[in-house]
Amino acid sequence: DAGVIQSPRHEVTEMGQEVTLRCKPISGHDYLFWYRQTMMRGLELLIYFNNNVPIDDSGMPEDRFSAKMPNASFSTLKIQPSEPRDSAVYFCASSRVGGVEQFFGPGTRLTVL
Amino acid sequence: AQSVTQPDIHITVSEGASLELRCNYSYGATPYLFWYVQSPGQGLQLLLKYFSGDTLVQGIKGFEAEFKRSQSSFNLRKPSVHWSDAAEYFCAVVALPNDYKLSFGAGTTVTVRA
Repeated sequence: DAGVIQSPRHEVTEMGQEVTLRCKPISGHDYLFWYRQTMMRGLELLIYFNNNVPIDDSGMPEDRFSAKMPNASFSTLKIQPSEPRDSAVYFCASSRVGGVEQFFGPGTRLTVL
Repeated sequence: AQSVTQPDIHITVSEGASLELRCNYSYGATPYLFWYVQSPGQGLQLLLKYFSGDTLVQGIKGFEAEFKRSQSSFNLRKPSVHWSDAAEYFCAVVALPNDYKLSFGAGTTVTVRA
């Protein structure tokens, strides 16, 4: 199995630009999670989906952030407009129904200048 | 709400020495506990998990952890550390059956000296 795939691995953009991060979960996994990792706040959950439906988005920092899961094999996290404080590593993870173990992707390192 | 505390920010250990990383959790019911490892520039890899049953759980890479309900702890151990164990280690808890959100501790960075 290819594992969780994230793209791009690195993104450098300028303040005010739109950023789209992509995730392909492991085939057959019904839960998908988006996390953000920063030095100041550590690992924090942004949003998670079950069967493509958002279940809890209480961790999404503000309206500039949005996430979608149009089908079982693809999800996006969009930031519009981006700000320097959004600079972080964004991880996607997936898990099977009833299986709590989450498998993490390699992450996308976002730098907003 | 559930939470996790990792008291040690950074630990330095000699290669071949034993390692113990501390984790304390806060959760009203029986917790589901995890240890993840993150090597520099990499994603998180699950080392081991505890759901129920035997309180001493074995994981990958020679790691084990012991669940102690009386102390609200889930400490990670390895008898003999290898240089490749240098990484950041995260303890996490999930509040099943209510939700699947992982709450992570702040992490412990392990440095291995020759």
